[in-house]
This record gives sequence, structure tokens and C-alpha cells, in this order.
Amino acid sequence: GENVEQHPSTLSVQEGDSAVIKCTYSDSASNYFPWYKQELGKRPQLIIDIRSNVGEKKDQRIAVTLNKTAKHFSLHITETQPEDSAVYFCAAPGGNTDKLIFGTGTRLQVFP
Amino acid sequence: DVKVTQSSRYLVKRTGEKVFLECVQDMDHENMFWYRQDPGLGLRLIYFSYDVKMKEKGDIPEGYSVSREKKERFSLILESASTNQTSMYLCASSPKPHTGELFFGEGSRLTVL
Repeated sequence: GENVEQHPSTLSVQEGDSAVIKCTYSDSASNYFPWYKQELGKRPQLIIDIRSNVGEKKDQRIAVTLNKTAKHFSLHITETQPEDSAVYFCAAPGGNTDKLIFGTGTRLQVFP
Repeated sequence: DVKVTQSSRYLVKRTGEKVFLECVQDMDHENMFWYRQDPGLGLRLIYFSYDVKMKEKGDIPEGYSVSREKKERFSLILESASTNQTSMYLCASSPKPHTGELFFGEGSRLTVL
């Protein structure tokens, strides 16, 4: 089945700097890669996703890139702000079902 | 707005007790999921259901069972709770065809003493 690895587990940046979180996946048939943000005490929420027919997608200060050959995808946050502090999870489909397999999460701290 | 409601935010149970965690969604979604969240381990899938009375095992089903008698309700059952089942449990739902987005509940923090 699908296996998703995520790095780093923690990331501390100064406000205004960029943050990058990387994930790898194992199933070459996977075609959809979402990213979820979980603020402290809140539920995970989808912030951006990318499908396998594109290499990059941007939404304001966040972007995702996908390298299908290497089977890895990344989340890029530019001009970080304290409200970006949260745990971020990458995910990939688990086989030919609608389930998602999640990475182990990255705790991002943005210091003012 | 999609609403996924978990019946209990916090529960404290004793080893050996039977525990029911209830989840209800109001968006007529076909898919429902139970995940367990532990620090450093991320979100691990316990069970999911793609239709009423249908269920499939996830990655860590041992010690758990589920029930989906109605489309809107998906229950997670711990037949005999153990201390290693102390965790945060997250329910989620998604429509068919799958858009890719899961809608999560607020979570149920279970402590087993």
C-alpha cells in the first residue's frame, strides 16, 4: 500500500522567511496530493492540493510542487507570518479507494 | 458549510471498558473515516466506510470495530479499551465521487486509565 514520509518533523523560522516541507510517496499510481493545516486545538483543514497532471500550483503565499519521477512533493510558504504556525500534513491516496494516507506531520513555528 | 460532529470532545475510561465514539455528518457524504492522531505518528487510518453497512480496514484496525447503520453516522467501537488506545480520534467524511478533500470533526480525546 501507499507509504508517505514527511520531513522535517519540526521547523522554526523568522517571520518573513520562507518555509519548505517535503514529502515522498511510494505508489506511482497516486495522482492527488493534498496538504492539510491543523492549528492548535483545531481540526485539520485542506489548504492546497495538486494533481499529477501539473508540476506546480500556487495560491497567494503558498505553493506546492510535484516531481512524479522522484515521487516527491513539497509545500512552500513564503513571507511567513505568526498565523502560519501550525502542524502541516501531506497526504496521498491509498490505492484505488477514496482513503488518504497522511504523513507524520511538520510542526511549523513562525517567530515574530 | 459541511459539519462533522463528534459526540464527545473528552472521554476518560478504564481499561477493559467498552467505548463508543460517535460521528455524524450533515452533508450526505458517502465516505466516512476514523483516524487516530498521535504525536510524531501523524494521522493513521483505523477504518473507513464507503456506503451504509460497508466497511474496510485501514492501517491500524486491531482492537477496533466500526458500525455504519445510517449514511450520516459512523461509530468507532473499542470492545475492551487498553491504555495504548489513549489518543485523539478524528472522524472525517468526503463525497462520492471523491473531490479529494476530507472534512474533519473536532476530534475526541480519549484517555484510558
